[in-house]
Amino acid sequence: DAGITQSPRYKITETGRQVTLMCHQTWSHSYMFWYRQDLGHGLRLIYYSAAADITDKGEVPDGYVVSRSKTENFPLTLESATRSQTSVYFCASRTGQGRDQPQHFGDGTRLSIL
Amino acid sequence: QQPVQSPQAVILREGEDAVINCSSSKALYSVHWYRQKHGEAPVFLMILLKGGEQKGHDKISASFNEKKQQSSLYLTASQLSYSGTYFCGTSTSGTYKYIFGTGTRLKVLA
Repeated sequence: DAGITQSPRYKITETGRQVTLMCHQTWSHSYMFWYRQDLGHGLRLIYYSAAADITDKGEVPDGYVVSRSKTENFPLTLESATRSQTSVYFCASRTGQGRDQPQHFGDGTRLSIL
Repeated sequence: QQPVQSPQAVILREGEDAVINCSSSKALYSVHWYRQKHGEAPVFLMILLKGGEQKGHDKISASFNEKKQQSSLYLTASQLSYSGTYFCGTSTSGTYKYIFGTGTRLKVLA
């Protein structure tokens, strides 16, 4: 089915471990985004990408790494997970055509770091 | 810097109206509005662009005051299905970088 999918949906890991969250979209959208959602903070932008091999920092990029070798994939890696990175992570995408196009969100990954 | 939303939370009875405000310290190019149900992904409601008209969709409409760097979402004759958290997302000119507010929790009671 067309759309945007995130995997895994749930993940539990330990501090210091590396973890990668996957995001895949089938629309060939140019723009992709990673957000984290925490109570009291709403959605905060971690990184975004305008196209393959073009990424840029958002509001809270520290501790995260992204890559975008293919248009459809935008993985987010926590190189050494910390408890403060426990959160719900949302990936989103949007077309690069027109300023009036919405972002489409994936279902989220709930990440717990023990 | 995140836009500021007000109120932080609101409780309504079915049929009542509500207004949710979104203010930014930066000059805005576009404002997006989303609604999120508990445990689900945000769902798009509408976009307002600089210089654009007020938008409306069923009983939900929004306005964008460029001079004040503010947007307001109007919920008319609220329904139970309107319950959720509402987020505004803003972008400045020349960028597709969207910054979201902290959200407004809305609860509609029967």
